[in-house]
Amino acid sequence: AQKITQTQPGMFVQEKEAVTLDCTYDTSDPSYGLFWYKQPSSGEMIFLIYQGSYDQQNATEGRYSLNFQKARKSANLVISASQLGDSAMYFCAMREEYGNKLVFGAGTILRVKS
Amino acid sequence: DAMVIQNPRYQVTQFGKPVTLSCSQTLNHNVMYWYQQKSSQAPKLLFHYYDKDFNNEADTPDNFQSRRPNTSFCFLDIRSPGLGDAAMYLCATSREPRQGGEGQPQHFGDGTRLSIL
Repeated sequence: AQKITQTQPGMFVQEKEAVTLDCTYDTSDPSYGLFWYKQPSSGEMIFLIYQGSYDQQNATEGRYSLNFQKARKSANLVISASQLGDSAMYFCAMREEYGNKLVFGAGTILRVKS
Repeated sequence: DAMVIQNPRYQVTQFGKPVTLSCSQTLNHNVMYWYQQKSSQAPKLLFHYYDKDFNNEADTPDNFQSRRPNTSFCFLDIRSPGLGDAAMYLCATSREPRQGGEGQPQHFGDGTRLSIL
């Protein structure tokens, strides 16, 4: 069975600094996709970044990058130059090949300090 | 802009009174999902539609039903809401995942916050 683990319930970061949110996963499937979502206090889930298990390079989207270490089964999200608007809950999620379902981690609450 | 729209944003209902939440999409995605999210928890998948094929999660209570009359619309019906059903309900859509493990992201609506009196 798939499992996603986010070990950091909460994180603080100073504005303009970089922060890494941890995510490890467990799957027996050789092919899978990893996703990060942001959920502000208003409740909407915002897709940030995607990494496929066969992708050779780490995914990047603007200030977001994914530190993908396949052997360690980790897919950490790096946010560079943090902004106050980055304060939110962040979820790591995984979907296996041929599957439609996302399995979510428990989430990490990020607070950006000014 | 193409998007996933949930109505209403906030819904209050009485204990035991049926309620329907709606979701529409302009993305023309063939997969639609309903999630329940309780405070400070991860979203929990209730069911999803792959085109017209309904896929129920094993632990979704019978109290929860869904309808998808066409590609654009999907409804969540709660037949007899209990206090434990108070939550945020999120609708999401995606294209069919491509073979080879590459996935299409799920696109979420803004959610409906359901309160039970």
